[in-house]
Amino acid sequence: GAVVSQHPSRVICKSGTSVKIECRSLDFQATTMFWYRQFPKQSLMLMATSNEGSKATYEQGVEKDKFLINHASLTLSTLTVTSAHPEDSSFYICSARSQGAGVSYGYTFGSGTRLTVV
Amino acid sequence: GESVGLHLPTLSVQEGDNSIINCAYSNSASDYFIWYKQESGKGPQFIIDIRSNMDKRQGQRVTVLLNKTVKHLSLQIAATQPGDSAVYFCADLPLQGAQKLVFGQGTRLTINP
Repeated sequence: GAVVSQHPSRVICKSGTSVKIECRSLDFQATTMFWYRQFPKQSLMLMATSNEGSKATYEQGVEKDKFLINHASLTLSTLTVTSAHPEDSSFYICSARSQGAGVSYGYTFGSGTRLTVV
Repeated sequence: GESVGLHLPTLSVQEGDNSIINCAYSNSASDYFIWYKQESGKGPQFIIDIRSNMDKRQGQRVTVLLNKTVKHLSLQIAATQPGDSAVYFCADLPLQGAQKLVFGQGTRLTINP
């Protein structure tokens, strides 16, 4: 089945530094990847949609200069949290959609990255 | 689903009992609905899906019911087991337009021994 690998699973960084999170589709090509953010005891909130080779589309209220998304290949998308602050601490989850897949099973989620900014 | 950032409602059931988890959606153009299970510290895991031209679909120990009239979706889990303890989310997709999964509020299911 489709597998999405997300790395790292946990990261602690200091305020003001940047952190990069990787999302890889291991056995399929993902034309579209999605990045979500989840606060404790809350639902997943879509941050942005990235399409291979083009700029990401950000949801309203998400700072594109703070959350840099790159989708340079069909198997890799990265989310960089720039100048991180404690309020950026959250659980970040990526999802990849395979090209040509039926809607069922088309969306596969990574295991998430717990970011803690101190 | 429409997530409004509220804290998760909870549902506690006895092991072996059936569970029913509910979800309301607001987009009448939604064509496809998915239920996900999320265990602590992990990403969502696909459980079952249903298209808008159906009102019921069954899987292994799970059944999804769709009522388009009232924009309501439910997930029934039969004979719950300790491993069913998790947070359950519904998500929906429109027939047309951007194919972005939008998640509902979620429900935390706790199985009591």
